[in-house]
Amino acid sequence: DSGVTQTPKHLITATGQRVTLRCSPRSGDLSVYWYQQSLDQGLQFLIQYYNGEERAKGNILERFSAQQFPDLHSELNLSSLELGDSALYFCASGLGRDSYNEQFFGPGTRLTVL
Amino acid sequence: SQQGEEDPQALSIQEGENATMNCSYKTSINNLQWYRQNSGRGLVHLILIRSNEREKHSGRLRVTLDTSKKSSSLLITASRAADTASYFCANRGSTLGRLYFGRGTQLTVWP
Repeated sequence: DSGVTQTPKHLITATGQRVTLRCSPRSGDLSVYWYQQSLDQGLQFLIQYYNGEERAKGNILERFSAQQFPDLHSELNLSSLELGDSALYFCASGLGRDSYNEQFFGPGTRLTVL
Repeated sequence: SQQGEEDPQALSIQEGENATMNCSYKTSINNLQWYRQNSGRGLVHLILIRSNEREKHSGRLRVTLDTSKKSSSLLITASRAADTASYFCANRGSTLGRLYFGRGTQLTVWP
């Protein structure tokens, strides 16, 4: 158990809908990273928050947004969903601002868009 | 792209054999990390090697790093069926705050 929790485990929804994925980092970790894993794209970094502020941005679509709250949990919002958004979404947490040390991954949320 | 690449894409061996996976990356790095993922589950950190290190051991794992060739290898000795998983390398490249993951090596260890 990494200490990172993600909810929900599974999400099935229709195209055009909006969903929110939630992540609670490991106790003491200030950074939260979001990743998308799909068969064709592999593991893609989406965005990082450090202590409530956006720190780094990756291949995140404009339809997606995220935030980190004062209690350090984070939410990833996906809107106007398309079939191609079906994927595993992972969050990871880390102690520092940069990836100088390991990241601890949650179990993931499997999103299916029908 | 700073994404790394693992080789081979898939590896199938018998229990007790050694498994070697390679990783190449494109830019200068601060560190390189190896992760393991069981099917459909979260990634688990295995080992981190910094750019000024050449070799590191952790239990049955041995990682080497050759920064002149921009490559790393992960050796799992005396493999077990429970080692069956996908293995990813990730490098902390020049862009702050992110890791670049490869596509992974799918290792299958037969009992």
